[in-house]
Amino acid sequence: SQQGEEDPQALSIQEGENATMNCSYKTSINNLQWYRQNSGRGLVHLILIRSNEREKHSGRLRVTLDTSKKSSSLLITASRAADTASYFCATDGHSNYQLIWGAGTKLIIKP
Amino acid sequence: GAGVSQSPRYKVAKRGQDVALRCDPISGHVSLFWYQQALGQGPEFLTYFQNEAQLDKSGLPSDRFFAERPEGSVSTLKIQRTQQEDSAVYLCASSQGGRGPSTDTQYFGPGTRLTVL
Repeated sequence: SQQGEEDPQALSIQEGENATMNCSYKTSINNLQWYRQNSGRGLVHLILIRSNEREKHSGRLRVTLDTSKKSSSLLITASRAADTASYFCATDGHSNYQLIWGAGTKLIIKP
Repeated sequence: GAGVSQSPRYKVAKRGQDVALRCDPISGHVSLFWYQQALGQGPEFLTYFQNEAQLDKSGLPSDRFFAERPEGSVSTLKIQRTQQEDSAVYLCASSQGGRGPSTDTQYFGPGTRLTVL
């Protein structure tokens, strides 16, 4: 079963523009993580935000979390061709060892 | 250092065949996870090992799926009597600690793409 739902399913923007992706989830969480997946580097952890945090930054990435709306957003500023990938949100699951993943947003950066 | 490796990278099986997928985690990592990822979807949890102990196998879809990590290092995911719906990418991940993916960063392998004809 998948908890998170990313929106949009696909996004195509020009290099240099900002990209925003959203994730909604159904049940209460302790934290939410964002991952990137591309054919070159596989699935890579980007950032984790805890339920008591509202915003977190890492380089060109900015993540927000609104627990009242059960949603999170990932903003990538000044996009680059290398940002072309699928982006997934994942939340803590039914046990301490599980993550529940969304279906992902496919991001294409046009040169 | 070396990352997580998986073999084979691609596997084609005829329906009904048994397959074995191998994962070599990062040396010294306590935790090892298996995921199944269907085309266009996110990964779905299959099972978790802490060293050699399989602490959570609730995600295994049927009794045709079996995983082991006998010496707490290399792990094998075995699928018996493969079906077409088993076609997917199987991802392995490891993490240094045993506190779970909400605390310890997971490092993923490149995956094995299984196609069942």
